[in-house]
Amino acid sequence: QSALTQPRSVSGSPGQSVTISCTGTSSDVGGYNSVSWYQQHPGKAPKLMIYDVNKRPSGVPDRFSGSKSGNTASLTISGLQAEDEADYYCCSYAGSYTWVFGGGTKLTVL
Amino acid sequence: EVLLVESGGGLVQPGGSLRLSCVASGFTFSSYWMSWVRQAPGKGLEWVANIKLDGSEKYYVDSVEGRFTISRDNAKNSLYLQMNSLRAEDTAVYYCARDTYHSFDSWGQGTLVTVSS
Repeated sequence: QSALTQPRSVSGSPGQSVTISCTGTSSDVGGYNSVSWYQQHPGKAPKLMIYDVNKRPSGVPDRFSGSKSGNTASLTISGLQAEDEADYYCCSYAGSYTWVFGGGTKLTVL
Repeated sequence: EVLLVESGGGLVQPGGSLRLSCVASGFTFSSYWMSWVRQAPGKGLEWVANIKLDGSEKYYVDSVEGRFTISRDNAKNSLYLQMNSLRAEDTAVYYCARDTYHSFDSWGQGTLVTVSS
């Protein structure tokens, strides 16, 4: 049950694209397609942005997209907007009905 | 609209106990697994425990196994987390979340648990 590895911070200018990586193992990210991503603004509850690697819940802009290759999942945000500045967390099913989160990435919009 | 409202947090001494509650509305509570997820101050999210639709199966992160107990009352649309033998490292905001097998698609606002003497 070790946390997934994410970069501590990423940044980009408005209109640009950024990608956040999430590295696990074959026992979690690499073994299942149940990878999800959450956006959290300061003092707020997390919000689901991507599930099942690359699916977007209703209401999430299509600027947000997800992918996975091997033991690493990625969240890409294109056309960065000021309101995208937040913390982002990946999460993966880890087998035996357990889940593991990443350490979180702080996105700064310059 | 899905709504999850946690309560029961507070200040407790090391070794003490606390029971958190989460009341759900806006969906058929008995049709969903439910989870508790916590976040220590300034830290990331950590999945804590989950429980099957009818409460027959429960799973925990290793660090709380044997100290925390998750339960639910489908008649009251309520989820609980009984926390015993609390430690300083259990200090966190505790969120209840709807668990869809694929993700946590709805979250409460959280309740703060502080373990300190």
